[in-house]
Amino acid sequence: NAGVTQTPKFRVLKTGQSMTLLCAQDMNHEYMYWYRQDPGMGLRLIHYSVGEGTTAKGEVPDGYNVSRLKKQNFLLGLESAAPSQTSVYFCASSYQAERGSGELFFGEGSRLTVL
Amino acid sequence: AQKVTQVQTEISVVEKEDVTLDCVYETRDTTYYLFWYKQPPSGELVFLIRRNSFDEQNEISGRYSWNFQKSTSSFNFTITASQVVDSAVYFCALLASVGGYNKLIFGAGTRLAVHP
Repeated sequence: NAGVTQTPKFRVLKTGQSMTLLCAQDMNHEYMYWYRQDPGMGLRLIHYSVGEGTTAKGEVPDGYNVSRLKKQNFLLGLESAAPSQTSVYFCASSYQAERGSGELFFGEGSRLTVL
Repeated sequence: AQKVTQVQTEISVVEKEDVTLDCVYETRDTTYYLFWYKQPPSGELVFLIRRNSFDEQNEISGRYSWNFQKSTSSFNFTITASQVVDSAVYFCALLASVGGYNKLIFGAGTRLAVHP
C-alpha cells in the first residue's frame, strides 16, 4: 500500500552540483506532478506530466528538468543546483477520467538544501 | 486569473474554541473543484475534502465542516471544539484548467496553532 514514494527524503548539495529526485506511484495514475513548497508561498507547480513520455512546464520550471519514461515514475532533475532551490519538494499523482475530477495523492516530501 | 487566497496567515486559539479558516478563489471555469489539505508538523499532505462547483451543500465530517458559497467565491473551513492535534498548516486549493490540462493551484496556507 505504498501510494506515492519519493526518494531521497533529505539531501544536502553544494552550489553547482546536480541531483535527481525520484517519484514512484503504484496506483496506475496517468497524471504526475512536482511541486515545491516554500515558507509563506504554499505549493507551486514546477512540472507535470499527463502520461508516459509527456511532460510540461508548470508555474516555476526554471532550473529543473523532468522525465516520464515509465508511467509509474516521474523524475525531477537539478542540473546545477542553486541556493534558491532550497525547498521541500512534493510529488503527486492523480487519476483523471474526465476533466476536473482528480484528487491528488502526495508523497511525503523531499527536503533539499543547497549550500 | 486562477487564484486562491487564504485570508489568514496564522491563527492561534485555545483548545475547545471553534475556528474558521477562510478561502477565497478566482476562476474563469464554470466547472471546477475545490480542496482542503492538512499538513501536520510531520510534513505530509493529508486530503480532507473535495467539492465540485455544482454542489453548494455544506458538508460536515465530525468536528470539521465546510461552507461553500459560489456567490462570494468562498470555501471556508470550520473546526469545532479544536484540539491540539488540529495544529497544522491548512491549504485550500483550486483544480483549474490551465493550458488544456487540470492543475491544482494552492493558497499560501493558514498555520493553525491550538494551545492547551
